[in-house]
Amino acid sequence: AQTVTQSQPEMSVQEAETVTLSCTYDTSESDYYLFWYKQPPSRQMILVIRQEAYKQQNATENRFSVNFQKAAKSFSLKISDSQLGDAAMYFCALSPTNNDMRFGAGTRLTVKP
Amino acid sequence: NAGVTQTPKFQVLKTGQSMTLQCAQDMNHEYMSWYRQDPGMGLRLIHYSVGAGITDQGEVPNGYNVSRSTTEDFPLRLLSAAPSQTSVYFCASSYSEIGVGGKAFFGQGTRLTVV
Repeated sequence: AQTVTQSQPEMSVQEAETVTLSCTYDTSESDYYLFWYKQPPSRQMILVIRQEAYKQQNATENRFSVNFQKAAKSFSLKISDSQLGDAAMYFCALSPTNNDMRFGAGTRLTVKP
Repeated sequence: NAGVTQTPKFQVLKTGQSMTLQCAQDMNHEYMSWYRQDPGMGLRLIHYSVGAGITDQGEVPNGYNVSRSTTEDFPLRLLSAAPSQTSVYFCASSYSEIGVGGKAFFGQGTRLTVV
């Protein structure tokens, strides 16, 4: 079975500062992908970043980067130079080599001006 | 470029009524999925399809039916709505299997309330 745990229901960060959102997961698969999705109040699910499990190099997308620790089954998201537009729910998701994507419960990020 | 289109955006049903949530994509994606999102929880997979004529169950399939007669459309049917099906429903599509790197595109969701 695949499970995803986000232990931080809410986080806040000051504008221009850095924040890290935590995610741990469990899977018996050796090949899988991990994702971070952003959901603003509009409800749209927006892919922020994805990581292939067999790649040791951490993925980066502009101000967003991940710390992928495969042995520890940890996949945290770091947002640098936080902006007001980053305020949203953030979901960590895991997908093994099929179409079954499992999501964590989400972390609500508030950005303070 | 419409992407993934869900209709309706909002719906209120009475217990026992039936309805179909529509999902259409114009990206020629083989893979389509339906998720539900409940307060305090992430999205949970209901059903998915790997191509026309092929469907399979996800994590929470009970009370829902799907079919995939064309590549573009993947409707979700509630045969007898129950209050427990009150949720926000998302449809997603991807060119390839998400687990091998396929990027999922999501619709904007349907908020369903069953009274």
